[in-house]
Amino acid sequence: AQSVTQLDSHVSVSEGTPVLLRCNYSSSYSPSLFWYVQHPNKGLQLLLKYTSAATLVKGINGFEAEFKKSETSFHLTKPSAHMSDAAEYFCVVSGPPGGGADGLTFGKGTHLIIQP
Amino acid sequence: GEEVAQTPKHLVRGEGQKAKLYCAPIKGHSYVFWYQQVLKNEFKFLISFQNENVFDETGMPKERFSAKCLPNSPCSLEIQATKLEDSAVYFCASSLGTGYSPLHFGNGTRLTVT
Repeated sequence: AQSVTQLDSHVSVSEGTPVLLRCNYSSSYSPSLFWYVQHPNKGLQLLLKYTSAATLVKGINGFEAEFKKSETSFHLTKPSAHMSDAAEYFCVVSGPPGGGADGLTFGKGTHLIIQP
Repeated sequence: GEEVAQTPKHLVRGEGQKAKLYCAPIKGHSYVFWYQQVLKNEFKFLISFQNENVFDETGMPKERFSAKCLPNSPCSLEIQATKLEDSAVYFCASSLGTGYSPLHFGNGTRLTVT
């Protein structure tokens, strides 16, 4: 069994300041973890993924995330927010290969607001 | 193609009518998934395919929903006799594999049942 908790439903930051979106997970397996972004009226775009290689993962658009097994966390960060970062962000945990799509568990999303 | 292509973007149906949604996965991806996003932040898994074979259909309301992925054709999701609660955005995604392979999503089809 696995679960994922996004600790904040909304995060508001000023343009140019750091972004931190928090995600905690639980899994019976060695999970893969993903962050996706959803802009209005769009599908989910993959930002980055962790698949048991380096614990610090760099993604697109300046985002990165650190896998911390001891804390069961996979928080998403960006040093300097841009107005175009305003969107919904989803943390997703995946089970082992062959687990089927119901091996994917989505967080409930964090709405990122960027203040000018 | 390089992107998952979903058509149509918007679909409006009267209650009881049929709705059919289409999805062209990324070329070379063996797995196709359908998700339903009813509330803004909740994704409900419906069904997945490995090539033209159903891989996992644990999320499908089988009495009215059906799906196919036939060779050389877009995949499809069909809802017979739509109900008001079927109003949602339906996302298709494709991937190289399951588990550790990320899903690549289309832009969705917004179904409105009136």
